[in-house]
Amino acid sequence: GAGVSQSPRYKVAKRGQDVALRCDPISGHVSLFWYQQALGQGPEFLTYFQNEAQLDKSGLPSDRFFAERPEGSVSTLKIQRTQQEDSAVYLCASSPRRDRGAYEQYFGPGTRLTVT
Amino acid sequence: QKEVEQDPGPLSVPEGAIVSLNCTYSNSAFQYFMWYRQYSRKGPELLMYTYSSGNKEDGRFTAQVDKSSKYISLFIRDSQPSDSATYLCAMGRSGTSYGKLTFGQGTILTVHP
Repeated sequence: GAGVSQSPRYKVAKRGQDVALRCDPISGHVSLFWYQQALGQGPEFLTYFQNEAQLDKSGLPSDRFFAERPEGSVSTLKIQRTQQEDSAVYLCASSPRRDRGAYEQYFGPGTRLTVT
Repeated sequence: QKEVEQDPGPLSVPEGAIVSLNCTYSNSAFQYFMWYRQYSRKGPELLMYTYSSGNKEDGRFTAQVDKSSKYISLFIRDSQPSDSATYLCAMGRSGTSYGKLTFGQGTILTVHP
């Protein structure tokens, strides 16, 4: 079946621009996650949704980062006034489970953001 | 010190070798352990998911967890060139923060024919 899809796959933004990254989770998955992966590093948690509720946003690095999942399916990660340090791969993952079971996560291919 | 430590390698082995990949962790709240494989310019792919101490086997892959030593391992038997990738360990806590995974840095593995 279809996996997690993300768009765009690549995004180049000038410093100061706003960007929006989209995630389409696997159909029916209740849990959705965003991670940031710097070059040569493991992914770092940004935020977690259970259906439309954002239950954990402790990993968002600043108030320039905002995520939403208004209808409990598609999610958007928005970064305002991008900075060079925002350059990274942004990964979306979904899980058919909630709570303890939500550790079983399936990742999309990521969006590679480059801020110039 | 990072909560999860993983030797980045790189690790290079001949085809058919047994590969051992390891992670250590410092926080005893970690109770859920995963191994992911990540090919270049792709997202991580879930390989193994374990909760308890001991071994879990799936085909050529065996995951081992030793909670007393805070040490986890992934063994790959009869390694193939297609196993060449970055291997990431990941851990989840019990209690709050369900779903939030903490990853190691990843180990780059190359299996040469």
